Amino acid sequence: DIVLTQTPLSSPVTLGQPASISCRSSQSPVNSDGNTYLSWLQQRPGQPPRLLIYKVSNRFSGVPDRFTGSGAGTDFTLKITRVEPEDVGVYYCAQATQFPYTFGQGTKLEIK
Amino acid sequence: EVQLVESGGGFVKPGESLRLSCKASGFTFVNAWMNWVRQTPGKGLEWVGRIKSEADGGTADYASSVRGRFTMSRDDSKNTLYLQMSSLQTEDTAVYYCATASSTYWGQGALVTVSS
Repeated sequence: DIVLTQTPLSSPVTLGQPASISCRSSQSPVNSDGNTYLSWLQQRPGQPPRLLIYKVSNRFSGVPDRFTGSGAGTDFTLKITRVEPEDVGVYYCAQATQFPYTFGQGTKLEIK
Repeated sequence: EVQLVESGGGFVKPGESLRLSCKASGFTFVNAWMNWVRQTPGKGLEWVGRIKSEADGGTADYASSVRGRFTMSRDDSKNTLYLQMSSLQTEDTAVYYCATASSTYWGQGALVTVSS
């Protein structure tokens, strides 16, 4: 199984400041079709997960441009340029390259 | 507007069965590959299974933890995805989400509680 390890698990951030979450994969999530099916999801309190980023760096429709995904190989990063109050929640990386699909443990973003 | 609405959750005893439904609207369900994902407070998000569209074979793949006990199916005439769960165990207690296989859209979730 591909194991996704996120750091940090908790991130207290000051409003307006940047935040960064790392996701390290136990093996490359590159599919045989050449695509890397590594996504980032946001889960606000009491809500289902919501897609932010797909295929490493593609922002989903309606996602603010303060969210950026990057990475290659086995190291991936989600960055928020300026944290806003509605960004509070848990962030997950996820891979859909290889069965079983797997998720990181989640990173809780909270406001200082 | 895309909507995925799960139903059928509830409280069951170990060994019993339950069927979840997921009614889709706002997109072309017949072409969609679909996932079930579950979430427990202690274990985060866990992929349960994925089913392809009928045009792509309609086959399903499962996590090892549910293989042989859970069965995914779909009725494209009703825009509905199903998860038949049998031989339920306490560790199957979770909120179950249906989602498009690309994680683009998620339902609100259905709570399944397995307890004696």
